[in-house]
Amino acid sequence: EVKLVESGGGLVQPGGSLKLSCAASGFTFSSYTMSWVRQTPEKRLEWVAYISNGGGSTYYPDTVKGRFTISRDNAKNTLYLQMSSLKSEDTAMYYCARRGDYYGSFDYWGQGTTLTVSS
Amino acid sequence: QIVLTQSPAIMSASPGEKVTMTCSASSSVSYMHWYQQKSGTSPKRWIYDTSKLASGVPARFSGSGSGTSYSLTISSMEAEDAATYYCQQWSSNPPTFGAGTKLELK
Repeated sequence: EVKLVESGGGLVQPGGSLKLSCAASGFTFSSYTMSWVRQTPEKRLEWVAYISNGGGSTYYPDTVKGRFTISRDNAKNTLYLQMSSLKSEDTAMYYCARRGDYYGSFDYWGQGTTLTVSS
Repeated sequence: QIVLTQSPAIMSASPGEKVTMTCSASSSVSYMHWYQQKSGTSPKRWIYDTSKLASGVPARFSGSGSGTSYSLTISSMEAEDAATYYCQQWSSNPPTFGAGTKLELK
């Protein structure tokens, strides 16, 4: 059974940093590209980071570029998201998601971890 | 980036009623994906590559479309179908999502 379990969320002050983790199991982690997708309090979904299966390629939208860093440890079957210079608009539920096919759907999602940025 | 506009934002349907919701893209996309989300849970892939049903999705669901216009149809509404449905594209970077259609049971 494919499982993605996020952790590391919490309450952070504006300008602060936090690192999220996503533990993967039930599939060959190193064979899949992964992403982080967030859902705002208004329930909008926004993709925030992508990493290739080997970790050599990463992509971000302009909204988080330079502030967020995605990485992975294939030996530990774990995905990470390092977030810095956090803003109130980063407040969201953060999901890790597996890219499921060539045309870019996300076939498995974790249960999410919540980040709140507030003073 | 490609903007996806879903309509309607909210709709309600009676059991047995046919339901259709749409997703319009600001530029042409090759494929559209759809997710179902119920309150307090993470999104589930529901329809992918425009018309393929994800594992376990009832056959009363279907997807269609091309170019800038896509739709999700339920042939006969059931209570368990009440949820929010999101469309998503990754034909071009960055991948984007629509704002969702909330489907309620009448």
